[in-house]
Amino acid sequence: DVVMTQSPLSLPVTLGQPASISCRSSQSLVYSDGNTYLNWFQQRPGQSPRRLIYKVSNRDSGVPDRFSGSGSGTDFTLKISRVEAEDVGVYYCMQGTHWPSVTFGQGTKVEIK
Amino acid sequence: EVQLVQSGAEVKKPGESLRISCKGSGYSFTSYWISWVRQMPGKGLEWMGRIDPSDSYTNYSPSFQGHVTISADKSISTAYLQWSSLKASDTAMYYCASLEVLGYWGQGTLVTVSS
Repeated sequence: DVVMTQSPLSLPVTLGQPASISCRSSQSLVYSDGNTYLNWFQQRPGQSPRRLIYKVSNRDSGVPDRFSGSGSGTDFTLKISRVEAEDVGVYYCMQGTHWPSVTFGQGTKVEIK
Repeated sequence: EVQLVQSGAEVKKPGESLRISCKGSGYSFTSYWISWVRQMPGKGLEWMGRIDPSDSYTNYSPSFQGHVTISADKSISTAYLQWSSLKASDTAMYYCASLEVLGYWGQGTLVTVSS
């Protein structure tokens, strides 16, 4: 099974400052069609998860442009350029390349210092 | 507007059976897989399995294979997650989601199993 490892697991940040979350997979996430099925989700307290980024770097509709995704192969990063109060929550990476299984990272809790 | 609307919270006793539902609207229900995801209290997301609503073909995570059943009724655009004998350890929030393409999630169904 593919293992997704996020770091850090806890990320205290100052409002207006940048934040970065790493996600590493135990196997390459490049699929046979050339795409890399690595998504990022945000879960605010008490809410359902919401997808922010799909296929490494594509922002979903309505997602602020302060969120960006990058990476390739086995190493991926979610960046928030300037953290706002509404960004507090837990962030998960997820791989969908290695069918039939889907695997989530452990989650990274973002909080305001 | 794409929506996945789940059934309400449930409180059950160990050994009881349960089926929860997830109704899709605002898109072609048979065109996209529906996954079920477990979130135990204070914990992360665990993928349980998925169903292709067009033909009810399913995949399960090895961790959940044999413990739950995923099904769908495409005539009413609804997917289901079912247990035949609940355990206290099944207490969790359960989400349906279109993970692979649409990225939409249901609001979650809280299942509490307690004697």
